[in-house]
Amino acid sequence: AQSVSQHNHHVILSEAASLELGCNYSYGGTVNLFWYVQYPGQHLQLLLKYFSGDPLVKGIKGFEAEFIKSKFSFNLRKPSVQWSDTAEYFCAVQNAGGTSYGKLTFGQGTILTVHP
Amino acid sequence: KAGVTQTPRYLIKTRGQQVTLSCSPISGHRSVSWYQQTPGQGLQFLFEYFSETQRNKGNFPGRFSGRQFSNSRSEMNVSTLELGDSALYLCASSLGGSSGELFFGEGSRLTVL
Repeated sequence: AQSVSQHNHHVILSEAASLELGCNYSYGGTVNLFWYVQYPGQHLQLLLKYFSGDPLVKGIKGFEAEFIKSKFSFNLRKPSVQWSDTAEYFCAVQNAGGTSYGKLTFGQGTILTVHP
Repeated sequence: KAGVTQTPRYLIKTRGQQVTLSCSPISGHRSVSWYQQTPGQGLQFLFEYFSETQRNKGNFPGRFSGRQFSNSRSEMNVSTLELGDSALYLCASSLGGSSGELFFGEGSRLTVL
């Protein structure tokens, strides 16, 4: 069975600091990878996704993530965070080779708090 | 275009009752998935429907069921509610391929007393 591990439960940063959120998954097959964000009081929104090709993917709001297949990792990065990035971030994995049909396996989430 | 719409947004029930939640997907999306979100267990997949057929199912008891209508709208039902069913229930829609991006609604927050 798939599982996703996010390294940090809560990260606190000051504005302009750099961000890296860790995500590791366990699954031996081909995967699609996602980062979703949930701002306070809002629905889950897609930040970025990796299906194939360049392992460095860029998403919205200056976020990027790197897929390292040998490490089963998909870490999220942003060079300079803003107060508005305060939210909960979820890494998710999907079986790309089979019939996942709507099923994403999510990590437990990382709460990011950015102080002005 | 309009996003995924879930109703009701909030509801309170007592143990033993049943509840029905509704989800309208993004126009043109034929797949609807349901997730349960709790502080302890995080986001867990319940089931997925496409063209009125359940194609995938998570590890939840039979008290959790769903259906999809010909217009792609979906409902999920939880019978004989337990305190542990208190959660945010999220609906997500997609075009319906074997894999791909999901678009989530704002959720229905269920409290069981």
